Amino acid sequence: DIQMTQSPPSLSASVGDRVTITCRASQSVHKYLNWYQQKPGRAPNLLIFAASNLQSGVPSRFSASGSGTDFTLTISSLQPEDFATYYCQQTYTTPRTFGQGTKVEIK
Amino acid sequence: EVQVAESGGGLVKPGGSLRLSCEVSEFTVSSYSMNWVRQAPGKGLEWVSSISSRGDNIFYADSVKGRFTISRDNAKNSLYLQMNSLRVEDTAVYYCARDFLDATMVTRTDYWGQGTLVTVSS
Repeated sequence: DIQMTQSPPSLSASVGDRVTITCRASQSVHKYLNWYQQKPGRAPNLLIFAASNLQSGVPSRFSASGSGTDFTLTISSLQPEDFATYYCQQTYTTPRTFGQGTKVEIK
Repeated sequence: EVQVAESGGGLVKPGGSLRLSCEVSEFTVSSYSMNWVRQAPGKGLEWVSSISSRGDNIFYADSVKGRFTISRDNAKNSLYLQMNSLRVEDTAVYYCARDFLDATMVTRTDYWGQGTLVTVSS
């Protein structure tokens, strides 16, 4: 199975901060990497697909890059509604493993 | 507007069975790959199972293989997850989610239901 490792597990940031979350795969997943945002008690929400493509309706302050084994999700200017947990998931092969999540908290 | 709605969760004893349903609207389940993903209380997301649009490719996580069965009823436009031999560690919110496969053969899971809670406890 491909292991997905996110870092950091959690972070504290202020509104307006630039935030970067990383996701590393134990083997290449090429560009088959999606990012999700999840708020407490809610379903995950797709932010980014195919490593760097912004899902329709997602604010442009979210961006992502990477390929192979190393990926990043960046929030250029953190907004109050962005405090949530973020997950990466590889869709290159089954099982379609998720990272363990990164919780973004208010400083 | 696309909608996905799970049902069928509840409290069941270890060793018991439960069948989850997922009803969708504004799209046809037979035209998309569909997934079940679960989340144990306070934990991260775990992919459980997928079924391809034609139903000819079905995959399971090792943790549920041989105990869970994913299926689809095209006439009812619904997805199901039959869960047998349930264990305490199967306790989770179970989400039904749609895969969108684009022209470049990239898959993204774009629509999710709100989940149904399964609690396995004696």
